[in-house]
Amino acid sequence: QKEVEQNSGPLSVPEGAIASLNCTYSDRGSQSFFWYRQYSGKSPELIMFIYSNGDKEDGRFTAQLNKASQYVSLLIRDSQPSDSATYLCAARGYNKLIFGAGTRLAVHP
Amino acid sequence: EAGVTQFPSHSVIEKGQTVTLRCDPISGHDNLYWYRRVMGKEIKFLLHFVKESKQDESGMPNNRFLAERTGGTYSTLKVQPAELEDSGVYFCASSQGYRQGREETQYFGPGTRLLVL
Repeated sequence: QKEVEQNSGPLSVPEGAIASLNCTYSDRGSQSFFWYRQYSGKSPELIMFIYSNGDKEDGRFTAQLNKASQYVSLLIRDSQPSDSATYLCAARGYNKLIFGAGTRLAVHP
Repeated sequence: EAGVTQFPSHSVIEKGQTVTLRCDPISGHDNLYWYRRVMGKEIKFLLHFVKESKQDESGMPNNRFLAERTGGTYSTLKVQPAELEDSGVYFCASSQGYRQGREETQYFGPGTRLLVL
């Protein structure tokens, strides 16, 4: 079992819709979780992190954490074609980040 | 503020050769990380420096990989001799580390794409 699992996608949503990206993790000791966005050939760019159960909102992005279910999600409201990228979920293991394989999101006009 | 920079952006070498990758972290960042992504797989941790000291090198694949961070500034990752399975994208990330009440944020460089033929 992988430590952090994501559906590879692609997840295809129409422009203006809500994109929902999901991630599960195996280590119950993980405390912090991160969502990175990566455009093809570019560096991973941090979108947001979350460490408390519940929701955390930042602009069009909402991260959700459920530690009992070991589940993290990222919602993108009003999706734009520029949101098309690979979204990486990561859990902090001590200092290092443990990444999932990423979900490709395609937002079509 | 300049971001994390890596050099070279691409490297194509033959099996058995040596390659040295360089990472310049964000100024003032004591923490420096190396990660690697091989084709079709997730990004995986290689090692972590705090200043010039190796804090965690549990992800280093084998002794063909040598990382250094002399003076606690830039870091190099040398692969000697390179093997076919070393091909992938090598990312460097840096952070200030934990601050009271603040989560650590790792900032990634653009990566070095290594192809071993």
